[in-house]
Amino acid sequence: DAGVIQSPRHEVTEMGQEVTLRCKPISGHNSLFWYRQTMMRGLELLIYFNNNVPIDDSGMPEDRFSAKMPNASFSTLKIQPSEPRDSAVYFCASSSPGQGTYEQYFGPGTRLTVT
Amino acid sequence: AQSVTQLGSHVSVSEGALVLLRCNYSSSVPPYLFWYVQYPNQGLQLLLKYTSAATLVKGINGFEAEFKKSETSFHLTKPSAHMSDAAEYFCAVQGGQLTFGSGTQLTVLP
Repeated sequence: DAGVIQSPRHEVTEMGQEVTLRCKPISGHNSLFWYRQTMMRGLELLIYFNNNVPIDDSGMPEDRFSAKMPNASFSTLKIQPSEPRDSAVYFCASSSPGQGTYEQYFGPGTRLTVT
Repeated sequence: AQSVTQLGSHVSVSEGALVLLRCNYSSSVPPYLFWYVQYPNQGLQLLLKYTSAATLVKGINGFEAEFKKSETSFHLTKPSAHMSDAAEYFCAVQGGQLTFGSGTQLTVLP
């Protein structure tokens, strides 16, 4: 299995621009998670989906952030407009709790820099 | 609500010495517990998990952890540290979704 795939791996953009991060979960996994990691705040859960439905988006920092999962093999996290404080590493993870195991498998992350 | 506390944000050991990374959890139900490792510029990788079977759990790279209900602990150990073990380690508890600790940065000194 290819594991969780994220693109791009690095993104540098200017303040005010729209940023879209992409994630392909492991095939057969029905839960998908978006995290943000910074030195100051550590690892934060932003939102998670079960069977393509958003279950908990309480971690989404503000309305500038939105996430979608149009099908079981693809999800996006969008920031519009971006701000310098959004600079972080964004991770996508997937899991298959329906099989009785709850561990999450993480992608390599997208390092976002907003100037 | 579930939570985990990792004691010590930074731990340094000499190569060949015992590694001990501490994790205490809080859970209202029997927990599922996990340790993850993050190498520089990489995502988190599962080291091991406890799912109410054996209390001593063995993971990859020679790591193991012992679930102690009476102490609400799930400490991670490795008998002999290797330079390649230098990384950040996260303890996590399952409660709907994973709740992660703040992480412990492990440095291995030559």
